[in-house]
Amino acid sequence: DIQMTQSPSSVSASVGDRVTITCRASQGISSWLAWYQQKPGKAPKVLIYGASSLQSGVPSRFSGSGSGTDFTLTISSLQPEDFAAYYCQQANSFPLTFGGGTKVEIK
Amino acid sequence: QITLKESGPTLVKPTQTLTLTCTFSGFSLSTRGVGVGWIRQPPGKALEWLALIYWDDDKRYSPSLKSRLTITKDTSKNQVVLTMTNMDPVDTATYYCAHRPGAAAPFDYWGQGTLVTVSS
Repeated sequence: DIQMTQSPSSVSASVGDRVTITCRASQGISSWLAWYQQKPGKAPKVLIYGASSLQSGVPSRFSGSGSGTDFTLTISSLQPEDFAAYYCQQANSFPLTFGGGTKVEIK
Repeated sequence: QITLKESGPTLVKPTQTLTLTCTFSGFSLSTRGVGVGWIRQPPGKALEWLALIYWDDDKRYSPSLKSRLTITKDTSKNQVVLTMTNMDPVDTATYYCAHRPGAAAPFDYWGQGTLVTVSS
């Protein structure tokens, strides 16, 4: 199985801050990585797929980069509605695996 | 537009079998490449992929749960059913079904989720 390791597990930030979350795969997954946002009591919502492609309707302050084993999700200017949990997921091979999550909290 | 909705029991006893149904609209599970998956999330914990069924009836399972899981589809009813045998309290989680538009694609549409509690 491909293990997905996210860091940090939580981050405290203020509105307007730049936030970066990293995800590392235990083996190369090319660019087959997705990022999801999940708010309390809600289903996850895909933000980024193919490591760097923005899902339709997602604000441009979200961006993704990386390939192989190391990936990042960046929120360029944190907005109040961005306080949530974020998960990476590798789509390269079965079993599909998710990272442990990063909770973005208000500072 | 694509929608999915999970249904099934909210409470099951240990050792019982759980049957969850995902009823969807806005796409066909006979369209080439399309799949529907199941993902769960224990309270306060991370997401865990369980199973996925493709348009051509190809089925994939989490290795750690494979012996307990069965996924099937009824294309005419627009439904996907997941059964999980020998339920245990550690299986208490919110169970989601989700649409996958193709191989190596993300889950782009999700159901609202259904909380299943395993308790005697």
